[in-house]
Amino acid sequence: DAGVIQSPRHEVTEMGQEVTLRCKPISGHDYLFWYRQTMMRGLELLIYFNNNVPIDDSGMPEDRFSAKMPNASFSTLKIQPSEPRDSAVYFCASRMTSGGREFFGPGTRLTVL
Amino acid sequence: AQTVTQSQPEMSVQEAETVTLSCTYDTSESNYYLFWYKQPPSRQMILVIRQEAYKQQNATENRFSVNFQKAAKSFSLKISDSQLGDTAMYFCASYSGGSNYKLTFGKGTLLTVNP
Repeated sequence: DAGVIQSPRHEVTEMGQEVTLRCKPISGHDYLFWYRQTMMRGLELLIYFNNNVPIDDSGMPEDRFSAKMPNASFSTLKIQPSEPRDSAVYFCASRMTSGGREFFGPGTRLTVL
Repeated sequence: AQTVTQSQPEMSVQEAETVTLSCTYDTSESNYYLFWYKQPPSRQMILVIRQEAYKQQNATENRFSVNFQKAAKSFSLKISDSQLGDTAMYFCASYSGGSNYKLTFGKGTLLTVNP
């Protein structure tokens, strides 16, 4: 299995631009999670999906952030408009209902200038 | 709500020696899982070891083992025969098997293995 796939691995953009991060979970996993990691705040859970349905988006910082999961093999996290304080590493992770083992993607390092 | 506390922001150990990283947690659930994740400089999050709360036997994965003290809500990670490649940030995490599937992470412990 290829593991959780994220793209792009690095993204540099200017303030005000729209940013879209992509994730392909491991096949057969029915939970998908989006995290943000910064030095100041550590690892934060932004949102998670179960069977493509958003379950808890209480971690999404502002309305500028949105996430979708149109099917079991694809999810996006969008920031519009982006701001310098959004600069962070964004991780996608997936898990099966049973077993409890969560697998992380390699992360996307986002820099907003 | 679950909480996970790692009280050691940084630790260091000499190569080939043993080191123990501390973690305490708090949960009201009876069914839960505990994890240690490793994040090397590549920033990839790698699962090191996993413990199911209903299992009394401590989990072991090669040089990594845990000391799970359920009554004390303690879940420490022991790394034996430390190697330079063990240098990384280590995160303790937990989630309950009930309706809340969110993984709660500690702040992390930066471990440096010195030659």
